Amino acid sequence: EVQLLESGGGLVQPGGSLRLSCTASGFTFSDYAMTWVRQSPGKGLEWVASVSGSASNTYYADSVKGRFTISRDNSKNTLSLQMNSLRAEDTARYYCAKDVVQIVTSCAFDIWGQGTVVTVSS
Amino acid sequence: QSVLTQPPSASGTPGQRVTLSCSGSSSNIGSNTVNWYQQLPGTAPKLLIYYNHQRPSGVPDRFSGSKSGTSASLAISGLQSEDEADYYCATWDDSLNGRVFGGGTKLTVL
Repeated sequence: EVQLLESGGGLVQPGGSLRLSCTASGFTFSDYAMTWVRQSPGKGLEWVASVSGSASNTYYADSVKGRFTISRDNSKNTLSLQMNSLRAEDTARYYCAKDVVQIVTSCAFDIWGQGTVVTVSS
Repeated sequence: QSVLTQPPSASGTPGQRVTLSCSGSSSNIGSNTVNWYQQLPGTAPKLLIYYNHQRPSGVPDRFSGSKSGTSASLAISGLQSEDEADYYCATWDDSLNGRVFGGGTKLTVL
């Protein structure tokens, strides 16, 4: 079964750091680009970052550029999101999503995890 | 404020056909393919339509997508109560060099 399982969410103080992980199973991980999408409480979806299947290309939303780093370990079928200098507005459920192709193009994600909640508050 | 504009709400009655719109610009919809997602309450989003009009396996043919110029549409025919959900359009934006989602449309089945 194709599956994505996120972990690492929690409560963190403003200015703090957190690392999210997403473990993939049921497909050839390196064949697909991977993405993080977040959703603040009661709000819409916001694209956060994407990485190509080979990990050679990364892309970030302006709202997180310079603070967040997306990475992947194809040997461990794992996607990560290192989040630094966290702000209250980063509070959201963070979803890991699988692209339909290996390169970062369009915005088509056919598999989603259930998400992990990040709360930034003092 | 998203670069893709969707009406915040829409409604229809069972059996009706409804069309949801997504408006963008030449740097996003005008030059890239559009994708649509359905998000039922309390669940993760689900890909409904990709590359303008392609349906993933398992998505009923009641759902169809189209694109014209800098706008895209999602049509739902034979509306059912279980179609009540939030619907998002999404694409790549050449100017932003990144992906963008619309603000979403909450569809109510009366």
